[in-house]
Amino acid sequence: DTGVSQDPRHKITKRGQNVTFRCDPISEHNRLYWYRQTLGQGPEFLTYFQNEAQLEKSRLLSDRFSAERPKGSFSTLEIQRTEQGDSAMYLCASSPRTSSSGANVLTFGAGSRLTVL
Amino acid sequence: GQSLEQPSEVTAVEGAIVQINCTYQTSGFYGLSWYQQHDGGAPTFLSYNGLDGLEETGRFSSFLSRSDSYGYLLLQELQMKDSASYFCAVRKGSNAGKSTFGDGTTLTVKP
Repeated sequence: DTGVSQDPRHKITKRGQNVTFRCDPISEHNRLYWYRQTLGQGPEFLTYFQNEAQLEKSRLLSDRFSAERPKGSFSTLEIQRTEQGDSAMYLCASSPRTSSSGANVLTFGAGSRLTVL
Repeated sequence: GQSLEQPSEVTAVEGAIVQINCTYQTSGFYGLSWYQQHDGGAPTFLSYNGLDGLEETGRFSSFLSRSDSYGYLLLQELQMKDSASYFCAVRKGSNAGKSTFGDGTTLTVKP
């Protein structure tokens, strides 16, 4: 397995345009997460899926953001009507079920960097 | 809600030992994790504490005190490649998916 893959790695767009990011998790992981990270900050939770079900979505996430995981494998994150404040690194992570130790080990992808002009 | 506090920066020399602290306030708690992130890279998992005490993984150890809402990451025999950002993260329940991350501590290792 090649780990968590994200595409595109970089996206520059104009304010008001829509963008879509794709994430391919580790194949045997049933949980998939989207986080956002800006410079000097930790990853900020956006949403997560268990298989195809979206189980939690951040209150901070406006209705311009939508995520899907239609077959419980890859996921897409779409941002509509982008704003300059959306500029950030969008990180995808996956994990198996919680381990016997209780750890929820997230494996992150390299991220998709969004710049909104 | 949940909030975590870490020092923003730490500097140490090669071969030294450094401790990065993390205090948390959360309405529910189920374990403290640590992640490392090099510049331009993805966060990678380092360590997890679900119970009080010390967990050791090679040069890295992590400690948790649930009564004090406090944990730390201890890095021994520092190497230049340890220069990175280190994040603590908590989650609320045993089956909770969401992890909340601190803002990270930037460690600079000098020769």
